[in-house]
Amino acid sequence: EAGVAQSPRYKIIEKRQSVAFWCNPISGHATLYWYQQILGQGPKLLIQFQNNGVVDDSQLPKDRFSAERLKGVDSTLKIQPAKLEDSAVYLCASSFRGLAGGNTGELFFGEGSRLTVL
Amino acid sequence: DQQVKQNSPSLSVQEGRISILNCDYTNSMFDYFLWYKKYPAEGPTFLISISSIKDKNEDGRFTVFLNKSAKHLSLHIVPSQPGDSAVYFCAASVGAGTASKLTFGTGTRLQVTL
Repeated sequence: EAGVAQSPRYKIIEKRQSVAFWCNPISGHATLYWYQQILGQGPKLLIQFQNNGVVDDSQLPKDRFSAERLKGVDSTLKIQPAKLEDSAVYLCASSFRGLAGGNTGELFFGEGSRLTVL
Repeated sequence: DQQVKQNSPSLSVQEGRISILNCDYTNSMFDYFLWYKKYPAEGPTFLISISSIKDKNEDGRFTVFLNKSAKHLSLHIVPSQPGDSAVYFCAASVGAGTASKLTFGTGTRLQVTL
């Protein structure tokens, strides 16, 4: 079974530029998450989709971050304009049906996209 | 407001010995807890979970203990192996349904030495 795919793996931009990250979840997984992991911290949820609807985006900085999940499959996360403090690894995860998916309620994470803002 | 805390940033254990990783939480509404393991340049992978209706869950060499009154959980790895060297994240949620979201701790880096 193919895992969660993310691209690009690495991105370096200057502040005030824009960047977009792409995620392809595991086939059949209805729930998709974007997490931000700043160095030395645990992952922080930015946005959660159930199919193509937003379940939770309370921690998404909506003045600069946007995310969409068209057709309930792939998702993109965009940052415009980027700030220095946006430097982080952006993790995409998916699950079959939220935390209760499967037998153990696990999320499957991609390898992440590392963003450096100069 | 750090609702899930892992106060030990790192831990070193000899191969074959027990590794004990600790996690504390402050939100009394949390009722589902998970541990994830993360190798460098990879995404976190699920390890083990426990519901608040239990106080122990075991899976092979991994056991998670939950003390609800102390708002504390721990992950025991016995015996520890070099391949267990990774960063371990504790995570918690309110419920385990489709709208539930995970709150992660800051992680503990485990190094298993030969």
